[in-house]
Amino acid sequence: AQSVAQPEDQVNVAEGNPLTVKCTYSVSGNPYLFWYVQYPNRGLQFLLKYITGDNLVKGSYGFEAEFNKSQTSFHLKKPSALVSDSALYFCAVDDYKLSFGAGTTVTVRA
Amino acid sequence: DTGVSQDPRHKITKRGQNVTFRCDPISEHNRLYWYRQTLGQGPEFLTYFQNEAQLEKSRLLSDRFSAERPKGSFSTLEIQRTEQGDSAMYLCASSLARGSGNTIYFGEGSWLTVV
Repeated sequence: AQSVAQPEDQVNVAEGNPLTVKCTYSVSGNPYLFWYVQYPNRGLQFLLKYITGDNLVKGSYGFEAEFNKSQTSFHLKKPSALVSDSALYFCAVDDYKLSFGAGTTVTVRA
Repeated sequence: DTGVSQDPRHKITKRGQNVTFRCDPISEHNRLYWYRQTLGQGPEFLTYFQNEAQLEKSRLLSDRFSAERPKGSFSTLEIQRTEQGDSAMYLCASSLARGSGNTIYFGEGSWLTVV
């Protein structure tokens, strides 16, 4: 079965500092990997996905993610975090449906 | 493109009652998914449709749960004889069907509280 893991329950950063949210995957074959963000009491918003090709994927709101096959990782990054980036972030793997990690709560302090 | 629409957004019901949620997917999307999310957890897959055919059901989908997509457009998720453990957010999502890797778009969710 395909799965992802998010090793950190919480990430705290100061505004303006780089933000990294970690994700590792366990997949047979080529992985299709996604990042979503969820604000309180809202649905999930798509940020970006890796299908094939360039290992650095750029997405919405200034986020990007780096696919690393040797480390089986797909970490989400933002060079300069904003307070408005505070939310719950989910990594997911697509096997004709999405399987999600447990989520990482990001808090960006002013 | 008006996005995935879910109704109602919030439902409070007494234990033992039946509830039904409706989902309208993005108009050209032929795949429709239902997920359940409890507080502090990631969404869990319940079932999905391709057009009107229900192609997979999770073991999480007990006999009290039924989902339909009668004309391949909107879908309903019914929970019969609700239990307190059914309290969760029910998320609907949709996508095109072209193998794997299609972006799945989510609605705002329907919150269920069973009292």
